[in-house]
Amino acid sequence: AQSVTQLDSHVSVSEGTPVLLRCNYSSSYSPSLFWYVQHPNKGLQLLLKYTSAATLVKGINGFEAEFKKSETSFHLTKPSAHMSDAAEYFCVVSEGNYQLIWGAGTKLIIKP
Amino acid sequence: EPEVTQTPSHQVTQMGQEVILRCVPISNHLYFYWYRQILGQKVEFLVSFYNNEISEKSEIFDDQFSVERPDGSNFTLKIRSTKLEDSAMYFCASSGQGWEETQYFGPGTRLLVL
Repeated sequence: AQSVTQLDSHVSVSEGTPVLLRCNYSSSYSPSLFWYVQHPNKGLQLLLKYTSAATLVKGINGFEAEFKKSETSFHLTKPSAHMSDAAEYFCVVSEGNYQLIWGAGTKLIIKP
Repeated sequence: EPEVTQTPSHQVTQMGQEVILRCVPISNHLYFYWYRQILGQKVEFLVSFYNNEISEKSEIFDDQFSVERPDGSNFTLKIRSTKLEDSAMYFCASSGQGWEETQYFGPGTRLLVL
């Protein structure tokens, strides 16, 4: 069965420093993996998506994620945090059926 | 840029009442979904819908729930007799020409059952 574990419920970084949000997944097949972001009082926005092409995926707003099959990880990174990045981030897996399986979310806090 | 819209943004109802949550998917999309997020919990899949019928549903989607595409634009989720535990944020999503395509989400409807 598919599952997603986001290893940190909260991550706090200073503005201008790197961001790392960790995600591990379990899947029986070749999964599709996603990161979605939810800003306060807003909907869920797709940041980036991996579907078995390049293992390093670039998304919007300077975020990227690397698929590592050997580690079953899909960590999200950004070289330099901006105040507007403060939000909740969800790692999501799909094995190609109709449903997305969601992680519990990581709240990213940006300190000035 | 096309987007998924949902109405209402907030709904308060009494236990046992029926509610209908409305969604307008992106216009050329063919696959539609409902998810929910109970406060403090993970987002959970409820149901997917294609070609005017349910494709897949989760254990949560029991007989109290139904979905409908009453016209060419709306996609609705009905809860027949709401329970306290139905209080959650409900998200609608749509995807394009295949189930493997990216799902785009609406802003959600926050449902509070009293």
